[in-house]
Amino acid sequence: KQEVTQIPAALSVPEGENLVLNCSFTDSAIYNLQWFRQDPGKGLTSLLLIQSSQREQTSGRLNASLDKSSGRSTLYIAASQPGDSATYLCAEYGANSKLTFGKGITLSVRP
Amino acid sequence: DGGITQSPKYLFRKEGQNVTLSCEQNLNHDAMYWYRQDPGQGLRLIYYSQIVNDFQKGDIAEGYSVSREKKESFPLTVTSAQKNPTAFYLCASKATGSHEKLFFGSGTQLSVL
Repeated sequence: KQEVTQIPAALSVPEGENLVLNCSFTDSAIYNLQWFRQDPGKGLTSLLLIQSSQREQTSGRLNASLDKSSGRSTLYIAASQPGDSATYLCAEYGANSKLTFGKGITLSVRP
Repeated sequence: DGGITQSPKYLFRKEGQNVTLSCEQNLNHDAMYWYRQDPGQGLRLIYYSQIVNDFQKGDIAEGYSVSREKKESFPLTVTSAQKNPTAFYLCASKATGSHEKLFFGSGTQLSVL
């Protein structure tokens, strides 16, 4: 059974700090990995998708990397802002045509 | 604007009652999904459909039913057999292909009266 793990469950940092959110997965046949943001009581917003053939993707202050051999992905947020406060989830898409989600990391950026 | 519309935003169910959550998309996506989100448990897959008139059970299908009569629509019925239905329900869709993004609706919060 595919598993996706995100540790820690919560993180609090001061504004301006660069930070890394980790995601571990067990599926060696991963097709892609997608990072999402979720604000309280809202749906998920897609941030970045990394295909299995890619090493990283960038969008603005966000950079996501993928290492299939170690089963890890990281989401790098540069110069964090209070507006970045949200829950960040990763999900891996495998050969069974389903996405498996991590439980998310709740990020709080203090002004 | 293209997107996924879920309705209602809030829904209350009486004991023994079936309720239906609506999900409509105008993205021309073939695949649609229903997830349940409980605090601290992440998202769990209820049902998914990769094409019209076909759907498969996910990890927690018991007490739920779906239909996929139109490409744009994938309604979820929470039946009276689901004994713990209180949760946040999320509908999602994606285009065919292993490298396509998954898009989500804004969710429906279901509570039991």
